[in-house]
Amino acid sequence: AQKITQTQPGMFVQEKEAVTLDCTYDTSDQSYGLFWYKQPSSGEMIFLIYQGSYDEQNATEGRYSLNFQKARKSANLVISASQLGDSAMYFCAMSQYGNKLVFGAGTILRVKS
Amino acid sequence: GAVVSQHPSWVICKSGTSVKIECRSLDFQATTMFWYRQFPKQSLMLMATSNEGSKATYEQGVEKDKFLINHASLTLSTLTVTSAHPEDSSFYICSARRGGGTALLYGYTFGSGTRLTVV
Repeated sequence: AQKITQTQPGMFVQEKEAVTLDCTYDTSDQSYGLFWYKQPSSGEMIFLIYQGSYDEQNATEGRYSLNFQKARKSANLVISASQLGDSAMYFCAMSQYGNKLVFGAGTILRVKS
Repeated sequence: GAVVSQHPSWVICKSGTSVKIECRSLDFQATTMFWYRQFPKQSLMLMATSNEGSKATYEQGVEKDKFLINHASLTLSTLTVTSAHPEDSSFYICSARRGGGTALLYGYTFGSGTRLTVV
C-alpha cells in the first residue's frame, strides 16, 4: 500500500530565505508519481511540482524544486526566496499511474517578515 | 489549462436533509473523478473514486448509502450527502483526471471545494 509521511506539522521561515519541507514515501511499485500541492486558507489545491519515478533529474518550477532521492524514498520540496504569500499548508502526494492520489498529513508553513 | 468547477462553494443545511455537490470539468473530459473530505488542519482523505458510467469505488469506512456519487458523463460528477448530520460538516473537494495512456503527467485538477455545515 502507498503511504506518504510528512513529519513536520509546522515550519517557520524568514522572508527571502529558503525552506525545505520533508516528504518520505513508501510503495512497492516501480512506476509512481510524486506531487506537491499548496493549500492556502481559501481551501483551493494549487499544484506546485511533479516528479516521476523514472525521472533522473530533480524537478524544478520557478522557486520550487523537488529533491528526489529514490533510494531513500524521499521527495523534499525546496522553496527558495520565501515570500509572505507562501504561507499555507503544503501537501506531498503520490500516485501510481492512473490511480488515486494519496496525501501526506501536510505541513503548515508560516513566512515571517 | 484544465479547469474543474465545483458548486456550491459553501452550503449550510439542516440536519436530516440531503445536499448535492457538483463537480464539472470545463475544458476536458474527466474519465476519473475523486472525492475527498478534509477536516480543519488535516489531510485530504479519499472517499471514493468514480469512473464515467460505472459505480463508484468507495474507500474503506466510507458509507456508500450516505455519500452517493454519480458520474453520469465525462464532465460531471456529483456527491450527495444524504440525511446529513452535524458530524458530516466538513470541506469536500473533488479532483478530476484525464484518461489516456500514461496520463499521470496531465495531473489531477482540483475543484475549489465545498464547505458543508450541517446545523
